[in-house]
Amino acid sequence: QVQLVQSGAEVKKPGASVKVSCKASGYTFTGYFMHWVRQAPGQGLEWMGRINPNSGGTNYAQKFQGRVTMTRDTSITTAYMELSRLRSDDTVVYYCARARQWNNKYYFDYWGQGTLVTVSS
Amino acid sequence: DIHMTQSPSSVSASVGDRVIITCRASQGISSWLAWYQQKPGKAPKFLIYAASNLQSGVPSRFSGSGSGTDFTLTISSLQPEDFATYYCQQTNSFPYTFGQGTKLEIK
Repeated sequence: QVQLVQSGAEVKKPGASVKVSCKASGYTFTGYFMHWVRQAPGQGLEWMGRINPNSGGTNYAQKFQGRVTMTRDTSITTAYMELSRLRSDDTVVYYCARARQWNNKYYFDYWGQGTLVTVSS
Repeated sequence: DIHMTQSPSSVSASVGDRVIITCRASQGISSWLAWYQQKPGKAPKFLIYAASNLQSGVPSRFSGSGSGTDFTLTISSLQPEDFATYYCQQTNSFPYTFGQGTKLEIK
C-alpha cells in the first residue's frame, strides 16, 4: 500500500534552515510528482511547490522562491523540502503529497502525516 | 494567482442531513477542481477530482459538480464520520490554491 512517512517535529531558531524528509513506499517513486503543502495552526492549506522525482525538476510558488529547495534521492525513495531563513510565521505543519495524474492535471491522492516545524528564539 | 472562495465558512448540521458546500474560483478553471476532507490533527483526505469524479473508496453519499468558476460538494446524508473541514483546490494552474475551508459541525 502507498505510504508517505515524514520526518519528525523540528524546533529551529529564526534565520535557520530546516529540511523535512518524506519517505515513499508502495509505488514507483519516480512515476509520480511529489508536492509540498503547509498549514498554519487552525488555518488553511498552502501549496509550496513540487518536484519531479524522475528528473529532479521543480516548480515553486513565487512566495517561497529563493527560500525553498526541493530535492529527492531515488535510491532511498525519499523527497526533501528545505526552507531557509526561517521566520516565526513558518511555524506550521508541512505535508508531502503524491500527485496522481488525470488528463494532464494532478490531484493529491496520498499525503504524509505532516511535520510540525516550530520557529522560536 | 487564482483565488478560491468557499461558503459557508462553517455549517452546523445533523446526522442524516443533506449539506452543500460551494467553492468559487476567481477565474475559470474548467473542471480542474478537487475536494479534500480534513479531521483535526490529520492530513487531508482526497475525495473528488476533476470536479465530479469520486476517488476510489469514497462513499457515494459524496458528490461534486460544477465547471468554470462555480462548484459544489454535496453530502447527501450526513454520517457521524463526516464532521470535518472540507477544502476545495484548483489544479488548473500554478500556484495550486485552496479554498479557506468549510468546517462542518454537529448541530
